[in-house]
Amino acid sequence: SQTIHQWPATLVQPVGSPLSLECTVEGTSNPNLYWYRQAAGRGLQLLFYSVGIGQISSEVPQNLSASRPQDRQFILSSKKLLLSDSGFYLCAWSAVGDTDTQYFGPGTRLTVL
Amino acid sequence: AQKVTQAQTEISVVEKEDVTLDCVYETRDTTYYLFWYKQPPSGELVFLIRRNSFDEQNEISGRYSWNFQKSTSSFNFTITASQVVDSAVYFCALSAPGAGSYQLTFGKGTKLSVIP
Repeated sequence: SQTIHQWPATLVQPVGSPLSLECTVEGTSNPNLYWYRQAAGRGLQLLFYSVGIGQISSEVPQNLSASRPQDRQFILSSKKLLLSDSGFYLCAWSAVGDTDTQYFGPGTRLTVL
Repeated sequence: AQKVTQAQTEISVVEKEDVTLDCVYETRDTTYYLFWYKQPPSGELVFLIRRNSFDEQNEISGRYSWNFQKSTSSFNFTITASQVVDSAVYFCALSAPGAGSYQLTFGKGTKLSVIP
């Protein structure tokens, strides 16, 4: 069966510090991968998605970036965090043969102070 | 443009009551998918169901049932005999693969509180 992991689970970072959130998927090959942000407990916003290694599409311009160095690894980064980057970050995957159904990881709660 | 509206921000019911969560969607695509996800306090989004635009059959899974009506662009979710474990935020979502994007458009969610 497929499993999706995210770490860290929680993170408190000062404004201006860098960020690296990691997501890995097990039990499937060549998944589509997604990063979402949920601010203030509601409203999920798609940030990035990837259909393959090194292929990243950005949905919302901002100071975040994403990378996919391996087939089942997706990383969300920032060089300098802003207060507005606080939120709950969710990684999701979908299968090659069923790209419409997305399955979500446990999430990372980021607080920028 | 796609839009999902969940007009009910919060609902409280007493345990064993039935409750219906409303979802209204907008899309110009003729092929699309509708979803419901559950987000318990732990935060993880749990996939509940997917329906495609060509299948208007209602579906029942245990205490959960879904009513899809294209005529009113609605995809409502009913929990029968609610339990405390049903307390969560429920999201309705829409995707239209023909639009060339993999984006799920989410509603703002309905927070359901089941009181013992």
